[in-house]
Amino acid sequence: TQLLEQSPQFLSIQEGENLTVYCNSSSVFSSLQWYRQEPGEGPVLLVTVVTGGEVKKLKRLTFQFGDARKDSSLHITAAQTGDTGLYLCAGAGGSNYKLTFGKGTLLTVNP
Amino acid sequence: GAGVSQSPSNKVTEKGKDVELRCDPISGHTALYWYRQRLGQGLEFLIYFQGNSAPDKSGLPSDRFSAERTGESVSTLTIQRTQQEDSAVYLCASSLGNGIYNEQFFGPGTRLTVL
Repeated sequence: TQLLEQSPQFLSIQEGENLTVYCNSSSVFSSLQWYRQEPGEGPVLLVTVVTGGEVKKLKRLTFQFGDARKDSSLHITAAQTGDTGLYLCAGAGGSNYKLTFGKGTLLTVNP
Repeated sequence: GAGVSQSPSNKVTEKGKDVELRCDPISGHTALYWYRQRLGQGLEFLIYFQGNSAPDKSGLPSDRFSAERTGESVSTLTIQRTQQEDSAVYLCASSLGNGIYNEQFFGPGTRLTVL
């Protein structure tokens, strides 16, 4: 069974601060996705990373896939209150249709 | 609309009753997924459809849970004889089904409360 562990589980910061959340596994994934979920809504895809060592940037968000494709990180620069939400990572394994989700990091950015 | 829609958005039922949850995927998406999200937890895979077939039902928790899909479109998740532990948000997602990255698009979910 493939498991994804996310850390920290909860994070509360002030607007303007930087932060990093982590997604770790002992399994290799063919690709890894990051989603953000706001209360009462479904997760929204932010990015997909597929190559070991890959770095993708989406405005103030930087995503990295580990060289061995077992882990990933999400770094947010100068967080804004609009970044508040649950950040989920999800990995695709051998059966590409099936995503394994982590439990998420609940981020609160305070004004 | 262009996104995945689900109905109802909220459902409150009594223990022992049956419920049906509906999902309308994005037009043209051949793959459809159901997930369950309990409070404070990640997404738990329930079932995957490719077209109208369900090659993977391994996540269904018990035989009280069933799902079908018709016309390679709408899907219904049915929970019979609901129990309190069934209370959760049920999320539906769809994807093109032929992409190597399986990027899934989610609906807003149905919040089920079993009293």
